[in-house]
Amino acid sequence: DIQMTQSPSSLSASVGDRVTITCRASQSINNYLNWYQQKPGKAPKLLIYAASSLQSGVPSRFSGSGSGTDFTLTISSLQPEDFATYYCQQSYSILLTTFGQGTRLEIK
Amino acid sequence: EVQLVESGGGLVQPGGSLRLSCAASGFTFSDYNMNWVRQAPGKGLEWVSYISSRSSGIHYADSVKGRLTISRDNAKNSLYLQMNSLRVEDTAVYYCARVGLGELLNYYYYYMDVWGKGTTVTVSS
Repeated sequence: DIQMTQSPSSLSASVGDRVTITCRASQSINNYLNWYQQKPGKAPKLLIYAASSLQSGVPSRFSGSGSGTDFTLTISSLQPEDFATYYCQQSYSILLTTFGQGTRLEIK
Repeated sequence: EVQLVESGGGLVQPGGSLRLSCAASGFTFSDYNMNWVRQAPGKGLEWVSYISSRSSGIHYADSVKGRLTISRDNAKNSLYLQMNSLRVEDTAVYYCARVGLGELLNYYYYYMDVWGKGTTVTVSS
């Protein structure tokens, strides 16, 4: 199975900050990488697919980059509603898809 | 409105069974592959099972193989997860999720673009 490792596991930041979350795959997955946002008690929400394509309706302050094994999710200017947990997911092996362990983004 | 609604969760003893359902609306259910994903209390997301649009392809995570069975009824716009021989470690919120498909430069990308709110399964004596 392809292992996905996110860093950091948790992060404290302030409104207006620029934040970057990293996801590393245990083998090359080209750009078959998705990012999700999950708020407490809610279902995950798709933010980005194919490493850098913004899902319809997602604010442009979210962006993704990377290819191969190393990927990043960047929030350019944190808003109060962005405090949540973020997960990466590899879709290279779609029949055995795997998620990162999550990055909890908290208010400083 | 595109929507998925899970039901069927509850409290069950170890070794017991449950059947989860997921009702789809607002889109052509028979056109989409579907997943079940679970989340144990305080933990991350774990993919559980996949079924193709016509049920021709079915796959399971190793942790549930032989105990959980995914199925669908396209005429009823419904997805199911039959859960047998349940273990304490199966305790989780279970989400059904639609597998979406995006195309970029002639490459196809899969993602989970619609999720239900989840149903809670608790396995405990």
